[in-house]
Amino acid sequence: ETGVTQTPRHLVMGMTNKKSLKCEQHLGHNAMYWYKQSAKKPLELMFVYNFKEQTENNSVPSRFSPECPNSSHLFLHLHTLQPEDSALYLCASSQEAGGPDEQFFGPGTRLTVL
Amino acid sequence: GQNIDQPTEMTATEGAIVQINCTYQTSGFNGLFWYQQHAGEAPTFLSYNVLDGLEEKGRFSSFLSRSKGYSYLLLKELQMKDSASYLCAVRDGDYKLSFGAGTTVTVRA
Repeated sequence: ETGVTQTPRHLVMGMTNKKSLKCEQHLGHNAMYWYKQSAKKPLELMFVYNFKEQTENNSVPSRFSPECPNSSHLFLHLHTLQPEDSALYLCASSQEAGGPDEQFFGPGTRLTVL
Repeated sequence: GQNIDQPTEMTATEGAIVQINCTYQTSGFNGLFWYQQHAGEAPTFLSYNVLDGLEEKGRFSSFLSRSKGYSYLLLKELQMKDSASYLCAVRDGDYKLSFGAGTTVTVRA
């Protein structure tokens, strides 16, 4: 595997379900990010982890809970979501947060909340 | 917070030049990025500017004026495969990257 991978690619869940999104980067980067991309809206930064420490929480509701066990893996735990949370969730990584290096994005998880 | 503005759509013919403008307002500017996103795919990096001036990379160039809060992405010798959404993103401080809504460029034969 190379680059940034995300699983699952598609997820349909009910509002009472609990699920997790997984992201893995094989680039040796130290920073990882979660973004939300809704139709017709700008890409929204959700969380930033730099060297496994959360450095940014962009006022995200507590029904989204990130976890970064090491620099290569990032999870987004989901519980009691709302239909308006349906979106494409993108993971990205970079050498470190705040540097000149670009972010490399994964293919995303298309989430539908019923 | 951020306020990033870019045109919604642009159309150009193959072989032409297109300039996508981006204006922004930020309190702690720390770099501006341009990304390309094809429909149904993840964004891919195009350019990075942190100092004023022009950065050239093959057919793509990006310009920044920090005093004016302004950047543009210039696409030259347009090809059909350049049809995509182009995202302007501004970093505020160390970590927070905010994206514009994107400019959809359609290249016609």
